Amino acid sequence: AQSVTQLDSHVSVSEGTPVLLRCNYSSSYSPSLFWYVQHPNKGLQLLLKYTSAATLVKGINGFEAEFKKSETSFHLTKPSAHMSDAAEYFCAVSGMGTYKYIFGTGTRLKVLA
Amino acid sequence: DGGITQSPKYLFRKEGQNVTLSCEQNLNHDAMYWYRQDPGQGLRLIYYSQIVNDFQKGDIAEGYSVSREKKESFPLTVTSAQKNPTAFYLCASQQGTNAYEQYFGPGTRLTVT
Repeated sequence: AQSVTQLDSHVSVSEGTPVLLRCNYSSSYSPSLFWYVQHPNKGLQLLLKYTSAATLVKGINGFEAEFKKSETSFHLTKPSAHMSDAAEYFCAVSGMGTYKYIFGTGTRLKVLA
Repeated sequence: DGGITQSPKYLFRKEGQNVTLSCEQNLNHDAMYWYRQDPGQGLRLIYYSQIVNDFQKGDIAEGYSVSREKKESFPLTVTSAQKNPTAFYLCASQQGTNAYEQYFGPGTRLTVT
């Protein structure tokens, strides 16, 4: 069975400060992990993905995430938040040979001026 | 440009009426998906299709129906049996299994009164 837990439903940061959005996963197989971003009333856009290559994954817009098997985590980070980063972020897991994704419940990021 | 289109962007219906949401992709992807999004609940899978003329129920299929007669198209019908149809509906496609990301359409916001 697979699952993903986003530990914070809301995160607020000041512009220019680091961003940390937390995601823990559970998977019986070697997982593929994804972070997506969604702006209001829009579809989801892929930020980055992990598929058993390098454990530190770099994505678009300065985001990166580190796969930590021992901690079953895949936290999303960015060194310096920008106002345009304000959005909802979803972590997702997919397992070996399956077409199904499991999405987390989302973390809404607020960036304060 | 390659991508996924959903129409219409906003849809209003009276209770008791069936309504069909359109989803078209020109990415040549085999797999297509329908998700429902409600505030605080993330994305929940309604139906998915791995190949033309085949589809599987997701986690919340009751009150919905789909067809997959063409590779490019995966329409979703929200029937009168769906008790709480008002939601944001997202269509996605994927090239293969777990290592591939899903591409999302812009969504359709359905309001039933």
